[in-house]
Amino acid sequence: GQQVMQIPQYQHVQEGEDFTTYCNSSTTLSNIQWYKQRPGGHPVFLIQLVKSGEVKKQKRLTFQFGEAKKNSSLHITATQTTDVGTYFCASSGYALNFGKGTSLLVTP
Amino acid sequence: GAVVSQHPSWVICKSGTSVKIECRSLDFQATTMFWYRQFPKQSLMLMATSNEGSKATYEQGVEKDKFLINHASLTLSTLTVTSAHPEDSSFYICSARDYGPYNEQFFGPGTRLTVL
Repeated sequence: GQQVMQIPQYQHVQEGEDFTTYCNSSTTLSNIQWYKQRPGGHPVFLIQLVKSGEVKKQKRLTFQFGEAKKNSSLHITATQTTDVGTYFCASSGYALNFGKGTSLLVTP
Repeated sequence: GAVVSQHPSWVICKSGTSVKIECRSLDFQATTMFWYRQFPKQSLMLMATSNEGSKATYEQGVEKDKFLINHASLTLSTLTVTSAHPEDSSFYICSARDYGPYNEQFFGPGTRLTVL
């Protein structure tokens, strides 16, 4: 499977600050999926990006797929405490290959 | 979205015993299910791909004789951890692919295994 690297590993922000996590691959990805896992919970699908340069928004979340389809990012504007959790990117082939995830902590 | 259930949600067992974990797709048929293991503060590691009616495909480094997978029907896959040891303590999560427009995977709630 296609391996993906994710940075940063941890991020601690004050509520209202922005947050970005990055996902990188050495090879061209067919697509990239993003999942969120709340503490003690299971991963929940957020979105899939397929096209080169694609940008998708979900309320305060903006997802981007690089022009070369080797990197992706998730940006959260004005974080809230409900955004706490670990965000994983995953390259999707037959199975999912997950990045190591970025754990986001938001303090009020 | 599609629903995947897992049972039990947590289990504590003695070293040397075997533990069976069930994964069910509740409102769709899943010819393929996936089993992952997640250690604390780490990512999900794919253990094996469970195929209905045929043998599971194991990832490199995963012992097939220790982690027995049976996918007997289109809605049920089981993972049996045989002769469990403390190092097998982990969070085990299954997922199933729903072949909708996003080809996304739906995850079960996970099973936390603690081996004493």
